[in-house]
Amino acid sequence: NAGVTQTPKFRVLKTGQSMTLLCAQDMNHEYMYWYRQDPGMGLRLIHYSVGEGTTAKGEVPDGYNVSRLKKQNFLLGLESAAPSQTSVYFCASSYPILGGDRRGMNTEAFFGQGTRLTVV
Amino acid sequence: DAKTTQPPSMDCAEGRAANLPCNHSTISGNEYVYWYRQIHSQGPQYIIHGLKNNETNEMASLIITEDRKSSTLILPHATLRDTAVYYCIVRLSGSARQLTFGSGTQLTVLP
Repeated sequence: NAGVTQTPKFRVLKTGQSMTLLCAQDMNHEYMYWYRQDPGMGLRLIHYSVGEGTTAKGEVPDGYNVSRLKKQNFLLGLESAAPSQTSVYFCASSYPILGGDRRGMNTEAFFGQGTRLTVV
Repeated sequence: DAKTTQPPSMDCAEGRAANLPCNHSTISGNEYVYWYRQIHSQGPQYIIHGLKNNETNEMASLIITEDRKSSTLILPHATLRDTAVYYCIVRLSGSARQLTFGSGTQLTVLP
């Protein structure tokens, strides 16, 4: 049980290049999220997904695209990288709890270890 | 989701209890209080959550005031490895929305 795995861990891109970050989870979670974290700041949501085949915009979606073709994978794409996208990217997953007194409540989110992206 | 207010930094002596406060005065009745921490730029780690009753697990205790407008995370015997940024988050039950992270509290455990 690996939890949430992000690939790659480090990457340097030139301005204008494209790349895809992969997030994989083996916990059968419905919900997946992509965050970015800039130095000295909290995490900001880029995009999220509530299930296979669905995606939604978060707080800072511009310049990014996502896809959730398989339940266990959530891909984050940068079509034309910019220096402003230099950041640490975190993926997370969680699942809704159904039934009982915790009906509908999301359980805790599990985070990957991050991808450090530098755009020069 | 309700906003939260945390002190930017706190120190605690190793072996002593660390009490981290959080204000969430606009919390609504079906919003839960979550605590996460982030150690040295690693991925955030879940600690504990609660609705209105006090909660305890192997990592920490969560004390929520009766009016639910504030809470305190307690690490009973802080160690150097507890040095991290601690985030208090209020989240709507049943929502698929994101966890909204503020700036958190930088806890430094001193030897």
